[in-house]
Amino acid sequence: NAGVTQTPKFQVLKTGQSMTLQCAQDMNHNSMYWYRQDPGMGLRLIYYSASEGTTDKGEVPNGYNVSRLNKREFSLRLESAAPSQTSVYFCASYYGPAGVITQETQYFGPGTRLLVL
Amino acid sequence: GIQVEQSPPDLILQEGANSTLRCNFSDSVNNLQWFHQNPWGQLINLFYIPSGTKQNGRLSATTVATERYSLLYISSSQTTDSGVYFCAVAMRNSGYSTLTFGKGTMLLVSP
Repeated sequence: NAGVTQTPKFQVLKTGQSMTLQCAQDMNHNSMYWYRQDPGMGLRLIYYSASEGTTDKGEVPNGYNVSRLNKREFSLRLESAAPSQTSVYFCASYYGPAGVITQETQYFGPGTRLLVL
Repeated sequence: GIQVEQSPPDLILQEGANSTLRCNFSDSVNNLQWFHQNPWGQLINLFYIPSGTKQNGRLSATTVATERYSLLYISSSQTTDSGVYFCAVAMRNSGYSTLTFGKGTMLLVSP
């Protein structure tokens, strides 16, 4: 099992450019998440998908869109990148069926380091 | 939303020393996890511990849910323990385990 994979690992964008961050999990998890990590801020939730076909906003959704392509894949899109979106982006997945808390934990991908100039 | 505060923000230890990291949270939770982020950025789950005590080798964690805090103990620290330790919680009425993270404790263990 590869767990949670993210592509790309690094990306440099110019202000106004668009890009999509890809995330895939092979653990048959129901829920998937996108977080951003900024220095001294911990991780903050951007969007999440509790099950295939559903997405919801997290704490910091502005400037982002997401797509739950299927059960395995959850992508994050920056339509017009801004310097404030320079960050490390983490994707995570969680077994929990919608509305049920289990003893499982969230598993994280290796992160995508994004620099917007 | 729920507030998560971790202390201390930074900690420097010599190899072999013990340490205690604290996480305070402002509301009832049904999910509390401790993570270690290594110097290469990888986030590794250490404990799922919404209440009670768990141990895994040199690490142990205790959560007192009624008093809204959790402690992570590191004994006989090693240089490989260096990194940032995060506490993350989900509120009792959160059905989808959306975690709120603290700002972390940065630990440096020197040889």
